Amino acid sequence: GIQVEQSPPDLILQEGANSTLRCNFSDSVNNLQWFHQNPWGQLINLFYIPSGTKQNGRLSATTVATERYSLLYISSSQTTDSGVYFCAVVGDSWGKLQFGAGTQVVVTP
Amino acid sequence: KAGVTQTPRYLIKTRGQQVTLSCSPISGHRSVSWYQQTPGQGLQFLFEYFSETQRNKGNFPGRFSGRQFSNSRSEMNVSTLELGDSALYLCASSPQEETQYFGPGTRLLVL
Repeated sequence: GIQVEQSPPDLILQEGANSTLRCNFSDSVNNLQWFHQNPWGQLINLFYIPSGTKQNGRLSATTVATERYSLLYISSSQTTDSGVYFCAVVGDSWGKLQFGAGTQVVVTP
Repeated sequence: KAGVTQTPRYLIKTRGQQVTLSCSPISGHRSVSWYQQTPGQGLQFLFEYFSETQRNKGNFPGRFSGRQFSNSRSEMNVSTLELGDSALYLCASSPQEETQYFGPGTRLLVL
């Protein structure tokens, strides 16, 4: 199956700082999603972005499918941005998301 | 539209018992996928159903099974529970081959 690697594994930020999370994948994909997992365990959709660039408020994401990576940008971070960020991809098995190990983000006041 | 709902939210079982978890997808969504999340293995795909048919299955033993009903609601069953089955079980629904939307999960503790 497709291998998904996320970096860095951990990130500590001061409130107001900017950061970039990276997701590398080992094969071509039909779907790529970014999620934020809240402290209660729910996965919140951030972006559906198999290619191109999208922005939503302080978050934006870029996927370069030909080079097999995606980036998630967090600008002007807030304490509510803390949590685990996951990248997940779908190869040729629709409905089967392959997750990376996640990036644990802690934003301090 | 209401989001994906999962019941129960928390469950405590003992080894050897069986358990059934339920997932109601977003209205109009025909695909339902199940995932297991543990600290050691992360998020792993269990299986996916579309229009009552299992389309994909992950690498889990046969003790893990599922089904989907005509109204797209889905259940998963784990028989002969083991301590290692303690996990957060997440269900996701999707209209077609696109964005998956996750429910709040069911936390299962096996004693």
